[in-house]
Parts: sequence; structure tokens; C-alpha cells
Amino acid sequence: KAGVTQTPRYLIKTRGQQVTLSCSPISGHRSVSWYQQTPGQGLQFLFEYFSETQRNKGNFPGRFSGRQFSNSRSEMNVSTLELGDSALYLCASSLEVEQYFGPGTRLTVT
Amino acid sequence: DQQVKQNSPSLSVQEGRISILNCDYTNSMFDYFLWYKKYPAEGPTFLISISSIKDKNEDGRFTVFLNKSAKHLSLHIVPSQPGDSAVYSCAASAVNAGNMLTFGGGTRLMVKP
Repeated sequence: KAGVTQTPRYLIKTRGQQVTLSCSPISGHRSVSWYQQTPGQGLQFLFEYFSETQRNKGNFPGRFSGRQFSNSRSEMNVSTLELGDSALYLCASSLEVEQYFGPGTRLTVT
Repeated sequence: DQQVKQNSPSLSVQEGRISILNCDYTNSMFDYFLWYKKYPAEGPTFLISISSIKDKNEDGRFTVFLNKSAKHLSLHIVPSQPGDSAVYSCAASAVNAGNMLTFGGGTRLMVKP
């Protein structure tokens, strides 16, 4: 079974721009969660989508948004990028509680 | 407020010996706990989990112990192998929080040949 895939793997953007990251879950998994990983803060939960609905949301500003499509694929969008948004963005899919992570998208904001 | 803490940033163990990684939590609503292994530039890999109704779960060389009264869990790796060298993070979830995982800061395990 194929794992979680994320595209792109690396991205460089300029302050003020916006970015869209994509995640394809493991086949059959309907829940997709997004996390931000930074050296200072570790892994922080952004939001979770289940059956195209946002089910949970972490403590991030409204510039961070997401959506899920009918095939369970998910996208995450960050608008008006700030330098502090530079991080590894991880997507995870799950059937029950155990979450399986993708390789992440490394976003650098300059 | 860190709800999940791993107080040891690093641990060094000789090959063949036992590795014990510890994790403490403060939120009594957490009812499911997981351990993940992470290599640089990769996403975390799920290792083993335990429900709060159990106090032990075993999977091959990996055993997780849960002490609910102490709000403490530990991951034992026996015997340790050089390939186990990685960052290990514990995570917790609460039944009323869907699939939101709260992670600890991680412990870097180094297994020396």
C-alpha cells in the first residue's frame, strides 16, 4: 500500500506571498491532519479534515487554511507569508487513532 | 504550557542493551498514547501505541508502559540496535479532540556499536 505523499517537497517563497501544499493520504484513510514542525516549537497541530469537513483546529492564525476533497486528498494554504512560517509542514492520514505521516514539505520564506 | 514532555533531549546506549525513553503528560483527558521515530528530513514513523485502558503493549523489540496515576509512559527497546538511532517522540490524544495529536519535544537516541 502506498504511503502518504506530499507535494512539493521543497518550496522557497517571499514574504507576503501565498502558498498551497498538497497531501494524498493512504488509500482508504478519510482523516487528514496537518502539522507544522519548527526547531523551536516541535510538532504543532494545525488542523484535521474528515470527509471534507474541518473537524479540529489548532492555535494558528486565520492565514493558515485547508480543505479536503471528495477523494480525501487535502490541500493547505498559507496566505501573506511571514518569515516565521518557514518550517517543515507534515501531513498525516489515519483510519483510527494511529496517524501515518508523509515526508513533509520544507517551506522557506525569504 | 507543554502538555507532553520528554525531559531527556538525548540518550546514548550500547548496542544490545536496553533503551528506555520516557514521557510525561499533564492533561488527564489524554486516553491514547503513541510513539514515533523520526530520521532527519523525513516524516515521523509510527512505532507503537497504547490505550489508557492498558498498562503495557508489546510489539517485537518495542514495549510501551503506561502509568496513568503518574501520568508517565515509557518506551523500552530491547535489544537496542545501531539502526534504532533516531529521534523518538511520544504523542497523546484525547477522545474529545478527534485525531489531534500533542507531541513531546523528542529524545535523540544514539545506539553505539
